[in-house]
Amino acid sequence: SAVISQKPSRDICQRGTSLTIQCQVDSQVTMMFWYRQQPGQSLTLIATANQGSEATYESGFVIDKFPISRPNLTFSTLTVSNMSPEDSSIYLCSVEGQGGTEAFFGQGTRLTVV
Amino acid sequence: GEDVEQSLFLSVREGDSSVINCTYTDSSSTYLYWYKQEPGAGLQLLTYIFSNMDMKQDQRLTVLLNKKDKHLSLRIADTQTGDSAIYFCAEFSGGYNKLIFGAGTRLAVHP
Repeated sequence: SAVISQKPSRDICQRGTSLTIQCQVDSQVTMMFWYRQQPGQSLTLIATANQGSEATYESGFVIDKFPISRPNLTFSTLTVSNMSPEDSSIYLCSVEGQGGTEAFFGQGTRLTVV
Repeated sequence: GEDVEQSLFLSVREGDSSVINCTYTDSSSTYLYWYKQEPGAGLQLLTYIFSNMDMKQDQRLTVLLNKKDKHLSLRIADTQTGDSAIYFCAEFSGGYNKLIFGAGTRLAVHP
């Protein structure tokens, strides 16, 4: 299984500011995924990040609001820009397992926007 | 769009079996997953099953898949207080090429 570390684990931010979340994996992976889990709800895929190309965003999510970097095969960042209280969620990074059948998750970043 | 549905809450007595049910709509799903989320934590992959299988057992966990009815269940034998968590069912949608999650079932284990 892959070991995924996310930073920060939690943060409280002022509205209008931006927060960058880091995701580090202990092995090289082709695809990394960013999810949002709003309070009391399920997970929603924000975007898929492949190394060397622009991230692919799901419907309802745009690059200006959630810019993503993928500089190498073990690291990615997600920025939540110009935050509002509606952005308060848990943000999770995910990667595929070696066989391509499993999906592993980081511990998540709990974001509160005040 | 594709949909995964779960009951929201299940309460069981310690030592009993828990059965968490899930239905999905994408007939092209290749893999189906069960994840566990404890308070303040990320998602822990518990088990997964390939769509051409009917059953998979892993220690206290048994996954049953009825592909015809698009119904998936997770049975936890001898449920313990440490099993209290939210359990998410997810399908890998071949049509959308991504994981689609259910809303999660909150399992409460009481003495």
